[in-house]
Amino acid sequence: GAVVSQHPSRVICKSGTSVKIECRSLDFQATTMFWYRQFPKKSLMLMATSNEGSKATYEQGVEKDKFLINHASLTLSTLTVTSAHPEDSSFYICSARGSGGVWYEQYFGPGTRLTVT
Amino acid sequence: GENVEQHPSTLSVQEGDSAVIKCTYSDSASNYFPWYKQELGKRPQLIIDIRSNVGEKKDQRIAVTLNKTAKHFSLHITETQPEDSAVYFCAAAYTGGGNKLTFGTGTQLKVEL
Repeated sequence: GAVVSQHPSRVICKSGTSVKIECRSLDFQATTMFWYRQFPKKSLMLMATSNEGSKATYEQGVEKDKFLINHASLTLSTLTVTSAHPEDSSFYICSARGSGGVWYEQYFGPGTRLTVT
Repeated sequence: GENVEQHPSTLSVQEGDSAVIKCTYSDSASNYFPWYKQELGKRPQLIIDIRSNVGEKKDQRIAVTLNKTAKHFSLHITETQPEDSAVYFCAAAYTGGGNKLTFGTGTQLKVEL
């Protein structure tokens, strides 16, 4: 149980284009989803927290107009990187917390490797 | 906000030896401390966690200790094996803090034959 998937696993895009990454909870309802960014050999940095049906809460320093997050259902959250640039190349990981779980449980997706050329 | 520091950044041990990774946190409100193992290009995997109402927790070769007064916690791996080689992250979170995890900077553990 508690499986989280991400799609795509890898994406290469040209500078200036937008990329959408999907995060799905496959066997539970995720009331909260978290989006992280991880640069090579670095730690996971929380970008934003999204609750189903409401606007995402962004961490300080994260541009909400550049990283659009939508949590339209209890099983799906999307992260759209708009007007991507090479410095946005990173490993993006989502995690999800279920409505029936304890407050501290998070289940991580497998990550999406974004490369902007 | 919470700040988590982790040491060492790299750790090399011989197979069969013990490995210890230490973390300190800044927010005394933090009450949940998980440890994750991450292999290259993969998702973080929870290996053990501890809540603030206990001082130690053990699961086979892995143990975690927590000192709330000093605001530090440690991961102990005994009888290390080559498959233990990975990056390990500590993290901290607290009830009411949006359930957000603040991660440490990571420790690259290498277990040599």
